[in-house]
Amino acid sequence: DQQVKQNSPSLSVQEGRISILNCDYTNSMFDYFLWYKKYPAEGPTFLISISSIKDKNEDGRFTVFLNKSAKHLSLHIVPSQPGDSAVYFCAARGTSGTYKYIFGTGTRLKVLA
Amino acid sequence: DGGITQSPKYLFRKEGQNVTLSCEQNLNHDAMYWYRQDPGQGLRLIYYSQIVNDFQKGDIAEGYSVSREKKESFPLTVTSAQKNPTAFYLCASQGLAQPQHFGDGTRLSIL
Repeated sequence: DQQVKQNSPSLSVQEGRISILNCDYTNSMFDYFLWYKKYPAEGPTFLISISSIKDKNEDGRFTVFLNKSAKHLSLHIVPSQPGDSAVYFCAARGTSGTYKYIFGTGTRLKVLA
Repeated sequence: DGGITQSPKYLFRKEGQNVTLSCEQNLNHDAMYWYRQDPGQGLRLIYYSQIVNDFQKGDIAEGYSVSREKKESFPLTVTSAQKNPTAFYLCASQGLAQPQHFGDGTRLSIL
């Protein structure tokens, strides 16, 4: 039973345009969400996070939106750059205080020059 | 320069052998984790440890074992009981109110 789902395994976007990566979750007790970026043969690196008390968090070109009623979050990258080409994982944490994250299956983003 | 070091980067194992993957961190993080990644799948949690001398099973602990004798170290042993050990293994650590930081992984292959 996949509690965190990324239904699009891949996405291609032209350089300079917006990339939108989506993530759905099933557990309403999740209170903290993160996005990680992963290049081949490397470990994931933290990108941006959002607490369940917010609906938006922005950091430079990256913005994460959270829709709690829909149990949906999305990552927007504007403008997209070729160096953004990687696999993006969303992750969710259970009730506050737990150290355990649950990861989605990832979306491979390809930014075309 | 703080970080997480996983070694080796590539590891080969003969069937029936146990093998140990190393993970060391100098970030002074209390919590450490082991994940497994297979093609087309997300990161699946094998074991995690919130404090020295304590650890808990994750979602796919069968065929694996861990120890946490030191804060800095969280080695993972892949035993012969693990029927499909070929995968990319990732170690992570986490401090209080911080996101998880990952090492660069170990790719294990069966000869």
